[in-house]
Amino acid sequence: GIQVEQSPPDLILQEGANSTLRCNFSDSVNNLQWFHQNPWGQLINLFYIPSGTKQNGRLSATTVATERYSLLYISSSQTTDSGVYFCAVGPAGYSTLTFGKGTMLLVSP
Amino acid sequence: DTAVSQTPKYLVTQMGNDKSIKCEQNLGHDTMYWYKQDSKKFLKIMFSYNNKELIINETVPNRFSPKSPDKAHLNLHINSLELGDSAVYFCASSHAGELFFGEGSRLTVL
Repeated sequence: GIQVEQSPPDLILQEGANSTLRCNFSDSVNNLQWFHQNPWGQLINLFYIPSGTKQNGRLSATTVATERYSLLYISSSQTTDSGVYFCAVGPAGYSTLTFGKGTMLLVSP
Repeated sequence: DTAVSQTPKYLVTQMGNDKSIKCEQNLGHDTMYWYKQDSKKFLKIMFSYNNKELIINETVPNRFSPKSPDKAHLNLHINSLELGDSAVYFCASSHAGELFFGEGSRLTVL
């Protein structure tokens, strides 16, 4: 099956700093999503981004499918950005997503 | 309105008991899933249903039985609970591959 590696596994930032999270995957995908699991355990859909670049406020994501990686950028981080960020990939259609192990982010005030 | 809702949010029970978790989505999606998140936060697919039909059944003990009465509902019944079943169970639904999760149901088996 597809292997998904996320880096770094842990990240500590000062509020206001910028960061880049990376997701590498081992095979061609037609589906890639980024999720944020907040400290209360909710899994929030950030981006559906099988290719290209998207932006939503302070967050943006870029997927280069041909090179099998995706990046999530967080700018001007806030304490509410803390939590675990998951990348999930899969082929199109009904097949399920395979999740990476996540990047745990702590933003301190 | 909550898009994907699960009940109960918390469940504490004894080994050997049987329990169910219910899931409903009001997004009109055709596909629904159950994922399990273990203590190390790893998320793994358990089941997937499309229009009430089981399409994916990963290696899960047969003590776990999903049921989909209609395409908006997917319930999970667990028989003879074991300590290792303690986890957070997430229901999800998808359209064109984009996945949306419920809030999770934390199951603790004592």
